[in-house]
This record gives sequence, C-alpha cells and structure tokens, in this order.
Amino acid sequence: AQRVTQPEKLLSVFKGAPVELKCNYSYSGSPELFWYVQYSRQRLQLLLRHISRESIKGFTADLNKGETSFHLKKPFAQEEDSAMYYCAPYPLEGSQGNLIFGKGTKLSVKP
Amino acid sequence: DGGITQSPKYLFRKEGQNVTLSCEQNLNHDAMYWYRQDPGQGLRLIYYSQIVNDFQKGDIAEGYSVSREKKESFPLTVTSAQKNPTAFYLCASSGGTRSNEQFFGPGTRLTVL
Repeated sequence: AQRVTQPEKLLSVFKGAPVELKCNYSYSGSPELFWYVQYSRQRLQLLLRHISRESIKGFTADLNKGETSFHLKKPFAQEEDSAMYYCAPYPLEGSQGNLIFGKGTKLSVKP
Repeated sequence: DGGITQSPKYLFRKEGQNVTLSCEQNLNHDAMYWYRQDPGQGLRLIYYSQIVNDFQKGDIAEGYSVSREKKESFPLTVTSAQKNPTAFYLCASSGGTRSNEQFFGPGTRLTVL
C-alpha cells in the first residue's frame, strides 16, 4: 500500500538552529515528491517539489531513493518558518494520480 | 491568493441537517479535490474530479456527496449521514503546465452544534 510517514508531530528549535523535517514514503514506483506548508491563518501552499531542485525560503529537500526519504532541511531556522509542513508524494505509476499527504509536522521556531 | 475560493469561511449546522460547501476556481484547471483536515490526521481525501461530469470517491467519502456540472465549480454536501462532520474542509484544483501541483482554497470550518 502507498504510504507516507512524517514521524514527528511537533518539532521545536531555536532561531538560527538547523532544522530537518523527516518524510519517508513507501511506493512501488518512483513518485514525484512535494512539500506543502501552511502558515498560521494562511492557505496551504506548495513549498517545493523535488524535480525542480530549487531552494525555497532557504529550504531544500533531497530525494533519497535508496532510503525512500524526502527530508526537508534548512541550515538556519527563522521564526517566520513556524508553520505546519506536509510531505506529499504523487504516485506516477499505476494510480489515479492523487497526492497523498502525510499527517504533517508542526515546526515551532523559538526566538 | 485568489484563483480558488471557498465559501462560507465559517459554517454552523444543526445535527440532522445537510449543508453544502462551495468551491470555485478560475484557473481553468480540469481537476478538483475536497479534503478534510483534522488535527493530527493531516489531509484526507473525500472526493475528487478529474473532469466535468465525473468524480470519484476518495478515502473518506461516506456521508459526503459532490457534483461537477461546471469546470469552475465543485460543491461538497455534508449529509446527515456523516457521523463526525465538524472539521476544516479544503478544496483544491490542479491542471495546466504544472499539472501535479495542487492549489488550495482558504478553507471552510464546519461546526455541528
């Protein structure tokens, strides 16, 4: 069965500290992977997707096919990074083509 | 913001009543989706539609119904059969050149009194 796991419900770090939000997936094929973010009182929005290989707001995410992981990283967290983060694989093979969202990690960056 | 709208922002319903949540998009997207967001549960897919006049059940469709008569609109009805309807409901759409990316509305918070 297709599954995505975000093991941490809550991650709390101090400003300036590195942060890593974990995401593991289990799929038979090679999915496209997304990270979505939801800031307080704002709508859910795309943060980054692995195929674009971009760094958005200082965040990067590397797809590790061997470990089936897509962890989100930032070397120096800022208070404005506090938000809810969702990992979402998009199965490209043998599916109806829907995003499957993890349960999310709430990131809290303290001053 | 803009592009995909949901109304109302807050909705209160008495037990036993059906209620319809509105979702409209002007992005010319073919696909539209309804999710339910509960604390600690992430987003769970209720229904989705890849094209006008067609839709499929998601993971938690029981107690919900939808229609897709127009490309721009994908209303969700929460029926009295839904056992635990109090939640935050999100609508999304996808299509165009970045077809796998979903764009979300601001959400509707439904409370059953």
